[in-house]
Amino acid sequence: DAKTTQPNSMESNEEEPVHLPCNHSTISGTDYIHWYRQLPSQGPEYVIHGLTSNVNNRMASLAIAEDRKSSTLILHRATLRDAAVYYCILRDDGFGNEKLTFGTGTRLTIIP
Amino acid sequence: DVKVTQSSRYLVKRTGEKVFLECVQDMDHENMFWYRQDPGLGLRLIYFSYDVKMKEKGDIPEGYSVSREKKERFSLILESASTNQTSMYLCASSPWDREDTEAFFGQGTRLTVV
Repeated sequence: DAKTTQPNSMESNEEEPVHLPCNHSTISGTDYIHWYRQLPSQGPEYVIHGLTSNVNNRMASLAIAEDRKSSTLILHRATLRDAAVYYCILRDDGFGNEKLTFGTGTRLTIIP
Repeated sequence: DVKVTQSSRYLVKRTGEKVFLECVQDMDHENMFWYRQDPGLGLRLIYFSYDVKMKEKGDIPEGYSVSREKKERFSLILESASTNQTSMYLCASSPWDREDTEAFFGQGTRLTVV
């Protein structure tokens, strides 16, 4: 399974944009890039996903490099409620039973 | 609006007890997953199932077993609980062969083995 690499932790000021990077240099052509986040004392929740093109939704934007070997989750205006662990994972759309593997993620701290 | 439900938020068991952690989803998903989460180690996959009565080992299956008798229910079993199985356990579900959709997680069960 292709792996992802994320910084262990990041800090950002409240009301400023946050760019969370993820490297996935061994990504295959059928891998979707997914982001999840885990708020304190909760299970992970879906944030956004993409395949090749940049994606926007009400929570965030996902910028995918042209060679797909890296991606960036963008929170346009961080609030204190965005403090969480953010996971970047790859999900293989090839035939077969999906393992759905997570790593250690990036712990995002928002400074008031 | 709850989609994945874990039977307990907190559980305290004694060493050597047989422990059942239950997970139920109401979205008719084929895939279900069990993870444990420990500080600094992220989410580690224990077992997953892609159909009734089907199961596959994840990355850390030792000391655990699972049961999937009905599509909506996936149980994690600790045959003889040990203190090193004290952890947060998370269940998830997703549709089969739909990696372009989201997976859903339960709220987690914090298990303490004393």
